[in-house]
Amino acid sequence: DSGVTQTPKHLITATGQRVTLRCSPRSGDLSVYWYQQSLDQGLQFLIQYYNGEERAKGNILERFSAQQFPDLHSELNLSSLELGDSALYFCASSPDNREAFFGQGTRLTVV
Amino acid sequence: EDQVTQSPEALRLQEGESSSLNCSYTVSGLRGLFWYRQDPGKGPEFLFTLYSAGEEKEKERLKATLTKKESFLHITAPKPEDSATYLCAVLGSSNTGKLIFGQGTTLQVKP
Repeated sequence: DSGVTQTPKHLITATGQRVTLRCSPRSGDLSVYWYQQSLDQGLQFLIQYYNGEERAKGNILERFSAQQFPDLHSELNLSSLELGDSALYFCASSPDNREAFFGQGTRLTVV
Repeated sequence: EDQVTQSPEALRLQEGESSSLNCSYTVSGLRGLFWYRQDPGKGPEFLFTLYSAGEEKEKERLKATLTKKESFLHITAPKPEDSATYLCAVLGSSNTGKLIFGQGTTLQVKP
């Protein structure tokens, strides 16, 4: 158990809908990262937050947004969902902006 | 552009048959190279961090080494429970925790 908690574990939704994925980082970790993993793309960095502030952005679609709250938990919002958004979404946290510890992921299926 | 290439894509071993996985990288200003293990449908599990050429880390049957251009994950006398996908990732010189992942090597160890 990495100490990073993600909910829900599975999510099935229709095209055009909006969903919110939640992440609780390890105790004391200020950095939270979101990654997307699909079969053909591997693990792709989406976005990083550090102590509530956006620190870095990857190839995150405009339909996706994230935030980190004062208690350090983070949410990833995905809207206007398309079939191609089906993937595993991972949250990770880090104490030092180096070693990242991953949660068990949310499997999103868009139908 | 930072890039990570892992080989082979897949590896089948008999129990007890030692081998090595390769991770070649190009990165501007390496701040760390990371190995993770990922089981199907699960989040990546942190194994090792290597920071500089010549460094080695060991954990049970696994040993990771680093040169200026590549890293190896040596698996000695593997057991079936070592079957998983092994991911390599690098952290570049930007002041973020953005990891660049390789596509992984899927290892199957047969009894």
